Amino acid sequence: SQQGEEDPQALSIQEGENATMNCSYKTSINNLQWYRQNSGRGLVHLILIRSNEREKHSGRLRVTLDTSKKSSSLLITASRAADTASYFCATTGYALNFGKGTSLLVTP
Amino acid sequence: GAGVSQSPSNKVTEKGKDVELRCDPISGHTALYWYRQSLGQGLEFLIYFQGNSAPDKSGLPSDRFSAERTGGSVSTLTIQRTQQEDSAVYLCASSLGGEWGETQYFGPGTRLLVL
Repeated sequence: SQQGEEDPQALSIQEGENATMNCSYKTSINNLQWYRQNSGRGLVHLILIRSNEREKHSGRLRVTLDTSKKSSSLLITASRAADTASYFCATTGYALNFGKGTSLLVTP
Repeated sequence: GAGVSQSPSNKVTEKGKDVELRCDPISGHTALYWYRQSLGQGLEFLIYFQGNSAPDKSGLPSDRFSAERTGGSVSTLTIQRTQQEDSAVYLCASSLGGEWGETQYFGPGTRLLVL
């Protein structure tokens, strides 16, 4: 069953702008992960944030987690055309519970 | 190998036929997962293998779906008597130890089209 719900479903921005995607989930978590998918194929792990963390950075990515609101956000700063992809949050057990994703389009 | 590989990349079959999808996990990874991504449905967990333990089949949608993992490495997902609603991208992933919340590494997927 799906656990995460991303918002918005689609986002279109210009290169250089920041992109923010949100994720809400339903049950308690140990950690939450964000993945990227290009062209509807394999997923690439971006970042993992643990339930006792509030914010985490990796390069141009910034992830926040608010366990009281059961929500997370992914911020991509200074976006590039190569960031065009679908982004999924996943809550984690042994298997991943994905949302339906946010489709990001970055135009030159 | 360097990453998770899957074959075939694409498969077109007729309704009612059986299909087999293959996954080669990253060498040394003990956990292997199958997911399905249907248009507009997001990613759906199917089955999870960890070492020699009995697999977690809780995500398989029907008894037409089955999976094996031989020798703790290669896995085959079999769909019998395929239906049009089985059309999807089937993704395989592996992880090092199968621990709760561990990072999973995905293959490129097999795109299945049932006519």
